[in-house]
Amino acid sequence: DTAVSQTPKYLVTQMGNDKSIKCEQNLGHDTMYWYKQDSKKFLKIMFSYNNKELIINETVPNRFSPKSPDKAHLNLHINSLELGDSAVYFCASSLPSNEQFFGPGTRLTVL
Amino acid sequence: GQNIDQPTEMTATEGAIVQINCTYQTSGFNGLFWYQQHAGEAPTFLSYNVLDGLEEKGRFSSFLSRSKGYSYLLLKELQMKDSASYLCAAMDSNYQLIWGAGTKLIIKP
Repeated sequence: DTAVSQTPKYLVTQMGNDKSIKCEQNLGHDTMYWYKQDSKKFLKIMFSYNNKELIINETVPNRFSPKSPDKAHLNLHINSLELGDSAVYFCASSLPSNEQFFGPGTRLTVL
Repeated sequence: GQNIDQPTEMTATEGAIVQINCTYQTSGFNGLFWYQQHAGEAPTFLSYNVLDGLEEKGRFSSFLSRSKGYSYLLLKELQMKDSASYLCAAMDSNYQLIWGAGTKLIIKP
């Protein structure tokens, strides 16, 4: 059974489009995260949600918006995609102050 | 500000031992994590230290010195499958992880 799953695994789209990436965890964790990993492999936190409340929002453009319909899901919506948004996006989840479990990643390519 | 430093890349020989160092500066401290990330895959948890000292887990050990803001990951009996990036992350007073840029470990036969 997959603990943290993301869809799609690959996403290729044109500049200016709007897209969504879905994330689900079946671990019963309270906190979920979205990370961006660029070509230099640096892992940058974008958002985290604790019991459906946004608890951090690193200075990402407001074109990015997290949506959490329930504790097990945290989706990422991206509006007006730009070339610089091309990266791998990872979803993760954890119990408070415990290790994070990562999803397989979504490789986004903006053309 | 908050910062994590670790070497960008290291090379070691199969069967040998390698130590990957990490220094951190955070607002408060609630522990130090090490993750492994193979190319094209997600990071996976390796170890967690919150008290000073060495934690051993099979071929991998992790050490922490809180007074020095320093940790290392020790890999013994290196295998080719250990070729990966190793990410150091410190948890601050708000229980947020501050990530290093990762150390790419190359294992040669």
